[in-house]
Amino acid sequence: QSALTQPRSVSGSPGQSVTISCTGSSSDVGGYNYVSWYQQHPDKAPKLMIYDVTKRPSGVPDRFSGSKSGNTASLTISGLQAEDESDYYCFSYAGSYTFVAFGGGTKLTVL
Amino acid sequence: EVQLVESGGGLVQPGRSLRLSCITSGFTFGDYVMSWLRQAPGKGLEWVGFIRREAYGGTTEYAASVKGRFTILRDDSKSIAYLQMNSLKSEDTAVYYCTRVGGFCSSSSCYSLFFDSWGQGTRVTVSS
Repeated sequence: QSALTQPRSVSGSPGQSVTISCTGSSSDVGGYNYVSWYQQHPDKAPKLMIYDVTKRPSGVPDRFSGSKSGNTASLTISGLQAEDESDYYCFSYAGSYTFVAFGGGTKLTVL
Repeated sequence: EVQLVESGGGLVQPGRSLRLSCITSGFTFGDYVMSWLRQAPGKGLEWVGFIRREAYGGTTEYAASVKGRFTILRDDSKSIAYLQMNSLKSEDTAVYYCTRVGGFCSSSSCYSLFFDSWGQGTRVTVSS
């Protein structure tokens, strides 16, 4: 059972923006600025898209952005492209007992 | 180029053991925390555990679902991480990913924790 709650699916048309939420608690998302997001295409390894809530690794398009408010983190993808269709997962540091909390994943469909 | 290559997966009977290896290259292995994650068929990602740098004792942390059964090891001289899995159960069936951890983990807590490089995964099937 995942500790972080993500919508099972979201969708958008090319060129639009979509936001995927990741809701936890004060013990994880709300307690630390250590949320990361991963993109996973079918039968592929996940790829880091956002870390430390808002930071983008080199090579990730600036269409991908992250934010956080209280116990909810968000991944926003602007200017949707067909290749953005994928599963997205959020992870959060959860302190020195649990260490890692993770979301159940969100399937993004580009219409 | 950072590379992580897992091996050692396969079909194993319940209750038996299996050891996965993660051979790495392209970075200074000893400078990083290493972690394993897994993904059951048709399911989401699940964190398995991580091992700190030798400078912090090479100590480990595990998810509750595997604690006491799984052990993560590292050999800095060979740049290899291992996942020793004992007392395997059917629910351990998954693709197992080796990852490099970004951020920093001291002996007691972490200051940022994310998985910045991934292997291609190795499949483990636990079945009689």
